[in-house]
Amino acid sequence: GQNIDQPTEMTATEGAIVQINCTYQTSGFNGLFWYQQHAGEAPTFLSYNVLDGLEEKGRFSSFLSRSKGYSYLLLKELQMKDSASYLCAVSGAGSYQLTFGKGTKLSVIP
Amino acid sequence: EADIYQTPRYLVIGTGKKITLECSQTMGHDKMYWYQQDPGMELHLIHYSYGVNSTEKGDLSSESTVSRIRTEHFPLTLESARPSHTSQYLCASTDDRELHTQYFGPGTRLTVL
Repeated sequence: GQNIDQPTEMTATEGAIVQINCTYQTSGFNGLFWYQQHAGEAPTFLSYNVLDGLEEKGRFSSFLSRSKGYSYLLLKELQMKDSASYLCAVSGAGSYQLTFGKGTKLSVIP
Repeated sequence: EADIYQTPRYLVIGTGKKITLECSQTMGHDKMYWYQQDPGMELHLIHYSYGVNSTEKGDLSSESTVSRIRTEHFPLTLESARPSHTSQYLCASTDDRELHTQYFGPGTRLTVL
């Protein structure tokens, strides 16, 4: 089975940097995904990591360490519109399914 | 990125009614999924399909049923809706070209009175 753990809530200030951590336990590994979900809306894809290291995409970066079962999403230059839930999801080896964490609700304050 | 559509976006119906939630995608993705999500809660997989005439139940038990007669179409049906079915239903799709990244439709918010 798969188990994903991420903080329930975080608060950060506009313009700052925030790091959202995700730890996972999985039988086999085929990739780790981060999604953003605004309240009442569908999740939108942010990033995908399958190899160790940092993937950068504009203000968002995602890091993966497969040996530690650990990932983080880094958001720079926070904007009010970044207030949302951030979902960590893992794909197991040979699986076309994603197991989602419960999500981290990020509140950006002025 | 996938173009994936869901209708209706919002639905309010009475108990006992039969409903079908529509999901269509135009990218030729072979894999499609239905998730159920209550407000502020996690996503739960209720059905998935890896191709035409292939459907499976997900991790969360659901009284709904699905069909996959065409690649682009993956409707979900509730034969007799109950208040416990009130939730948001999200459809997603992917294929090997997308490296298993799932793209979501806008969702259907269902309320059963």
